[in-house]
This record gives sequence, C-alpha cells and structure tokens, in this order.
Amino acid sequence: SAVISQKPSRDICQRGTSLTIQCQVDSQVTMMFWYRQQPGQSLTLIATANQGSEATYESGFVIDKFPISRPNLTFSTLTVSNMSPEDSSIYLCSVEGTDTYEQYFGPGTRLTVT
Amino acid sequence: EDQVTQSPEALRLQEGESSSLNCSYTVSGLRGLFWYRQDPGKGPEFLFTLYSAGEEKEKERLKATLTKKESFLHITAPKPEDSATYLCAVLSPAGAGSYQLTFGKGTKLSVIP
Repeated sequence: SAVISQKPSRDICQRGTSLTIQCQVDSQVTMMFWYRQQPGQSLTLIATANQGSEATYESGFVIDKFPISRPNLTFSTLTVSNMSPEDSSIYLCSVEGTDTYEQYFGPGTRLTVT
Repeated sequence: EDQVTQSPEALRLQEGESSSLNCSYTVSGLRGLFWYRQDPGKGPEFLFTLYSAGEEKEKERLKATLTKKESFLHITAPKPEDSATYLCAVLSPAGAGSYQLTFGKGTKLSVIP
C-alpha cells in the first residue's frame, strides 16, 4: 500500500482566512481523493483529483470554496477558502490501491476555525 | 441513494469478551465492502475487502463476513489494543464507468483490561 503524508497535521485558523493542505504520496497514482470528516459524522468525499485535469466535485462542494491542485502524479493540495467555524473538521486525502478499489488514507489534517 | 448504517455506535467490552459489529447497507449494485480501523488523530487504516455474499476474511482477532444486506466484523477475545473506531464503506457504480465509496459513521470500540 502507498505511504501518504499530509501537511499540516493540525491548524487553528481565524474565520475569513484560507488554509492549504498538502498531500504527498510515495508512488505515482492516477486519482487522489479529498474527504472531510466532521465530528460524529461519516467520511464525506469532497472531490476527486486527476493529474492534468480539473478536479471533480461532489454535490454540495464547489471549486471556489475548495480549490484543488494536482500538479503531478504524487502530490495534491486542497485549499479551504474564506473559512467559517463550520469548516472545522478533519480533512483526509486518499489514493486507490493498485488494481483494486480499496482506498488508503493519509493521517489527516485537523482544522479548527475560530 | 446508497446508505450505510453501522451499529452499535459505541461498544464497550471486557478484554477477552468476543462480540460483533454490524454494517447494514442499501446500495444499487454492490461492487465491494470495506472495513477500516481508525485510531484517534489518525487516518483510517484498511483492514478487509469483501466482494460477494458468503465471503469471509480474517486477520488476527478480526473476521469479516458479508451477506446480501449486511456485513459483520467479529472480534474474538479482544485486547485493549483493539480499541478504535471501525468504519464500514460500500463501493457502488456512480455512472459513466465511475464508482463511489459511501462510508458509515463507525462503531467506537473500547476494550477494557
């Protein structure tokens, strides 16, 4: 399975500001996924990021709020823009296994917006 | 819309007390069911994939089973280090050749020495 790292691991931010979360994978992958995990809730897919194309966003998530970059096959960033306390959550990136559909997750970024 | 329901929400066991966690699902065309373990402050760790009813997978004290409507994660003689939140997810077609993964809210397991 791939080894995935995320930066930062946690942050406390003021409302109205933006935070960019980085996700690095130790191998080349076609698709990378970004999830949100709110307290007491299930993981919710924000978007799927393919290298060389625009990210595909799930219902309820928009590019202006969660812009994503995918400059190469091992790296992606998710920006949480114009933050409000409702954005406080854990943000996770993941990749699919080789020839399989299971996903492997990074350690997550715990974001608190005050 | 695909739905995944896990029960119980929380489970407290004495060390050595075997039990089962349940994951019931309603999906249009199940392609796979996954179990994950998540420790506090960490990302989910992949445990098992089950593809068809009747399939079973085992790993140490854990055994996952699948029927057409639900999956069970059986924990035999649990130890305190098995304490974690266990997540279930189902994979189903999302149209245009793509797939979607739907997660349950998880069962928080606490094993008391």
